[in-house]
Amino acid sequence: DGGITQSPKYLFRKEGQNVTLSCEQNLNHDAMYWYRQDPGQGLRLIYYSQIVNDFQKGDIAEGYSVSREKKESFPLTVTSAQKNPTAFYLCASSIQDRAEAFFGQGTRLTVV
Amino acid sequence: AQRVTQPEKLLSVFKGAPVELKCNYSYSGSPELFWYVQYSRQRLQLLLRHISRESIKGFTADLNKGETSFHLKKPFAQEEDSAMYYCALSGGPRGRDDKIIFGKGTRLHILP
Repeated sequence: DGGITQSPKYLFRKEGQNVTLSCEQNLNHDAMYWYRQDPGQGLRLIYYSQIVNDFQKGDIAEGYSVSREKKESFPLTVTSAQKNPTAFYLCASSIQDRAEAFFGQGTRLTVV
Repeated sequence: AQRVTQPEKLLSVFKGAPVELKCNYSYSGSPELFWYVQYSRQRLQLLLRHISRESIKGFTADLNKGETSFHLKKPFAQEEDSAMYYCALSGGPRGRDDKIIFGKGTRLHILP
């Protein structure tokens, strides 16, 4: 069953802790993206990667980090430096630049 | 800078009435424009893209480069059209710097 999978679906974190969100795809897509979705803010780009071992900062990268060691995986770490981490996070992939993006089901992160 | 503007947060339309969701963009080159839709409890998914010039679920969108707009239209709204709609732009230099930028979204509510 091909697709893009995010885990976990719900995540709770204590203030001051780092947490890593998983994103895996078996679509053989080169490009992968992380977005943050807040009410009234739409989707804001955190990081993106067009190729393995390379990634670029998006509009709101501060307090986040990523890695792209494998084509199928693009984990996002929300660090303690992120001042307002409670949000819904979406991962996406596309076969190439300017192509349709396929989205995961999202991870809802809550800082308690 | 790349920017996508959706001026309406919420649009309420009676069933059977025409629908127009507005989208304006800012980009210096030749972008790809998309409309994505998110139905309740479903993943964000592509509705249509300007390059394909298709009509999907009765929706069409025309790219107007002079007005830098990509409005989404449907002549007769149906109740199942109620959803969140996002306009998106893919641009930047080909390769590592290409990214997908989304607007803030418009919630379409079809009234019975």
